[in-house]
Amino acid sequence: GAGVSQTPSNKVTEKGKYVELRCDPISGHTALYWYRQSLGQGPEFLIYFQGTGAADDSGLPNDRFFAVRPEGSVSTLKIQRTERGDSAVYLCASSLMIGGNEQFFGPGTRLTVL
Amino acid sequence: SQQGEEDPQALSIQEGENATMNCSYKTSINNLQWYRQNSGRGLVHLILIRSNEREKHSGRLRVTLDTSKKSSSLLITASRAADTASYFCATDGQAGTALIFGKGTTLSVSS
Repeated sequence: GAGVSQTPSNKVTEKGKYVELRCDPISGHTALYWYRQSLGQGPEFLIYFQGTGAADDSGLPNDRFFAVRPEGSVSTLKIQRTERGDSAVYLCASSLMIGGNEQFFGPGTRLTVL
Repeated sequence: SQQGEEDPQALSIQEGENATMNCSYKTSINNLQWYRQNSGRGLVHLILIRSNEREKHSGRLRVTLDTSKKSSSLLITASRAADTASYFCATDGQAGTALIFGKGTTLSVSS
């Protein structure tokens, strides 16, 4: 079956704009994770969902960041009033269930805020 | 915050040589995983080792885990140019939820 997909693959925006990043997890995976990776660093956790609910959003850097997963499948990461420091690769991953399982990663969305 | 720390940060070897990367972490874990990343994009899962396991093999990969030292190592034997990538260890806490990654080791294998 298809792996995790993310759209767009690249997004260039201007400071202050709103962006949405989409993640399509592997069908049947109940857990979905968002990570952010800056150049030269490992991925950093943002938020994860178990089904439709955000089980842990402690990694979101501030209230400009928000994510939803309304039907327990596709998820959208939303960033308001983007700042240059938001530039990074945003990675989505899914796993069959929470905890102790391999996470399957998408190719990421490279966000550049000018 | 990042829990895992890989060592070395960068490693350059010749094809056919073995590559060893180490990872240290800070808190108790349920399991530890190693991932590979090419060109700064999606990560590929390599191997998962549980906290009650000491060694695991998968093809040319060998992973060890020492929970008393809070450390793990990844050995790639008979390396190939295609192994050139960044390698990350990732741990989950006792809650077993999101992964915490280190900064990675950049491996370069020249032919």
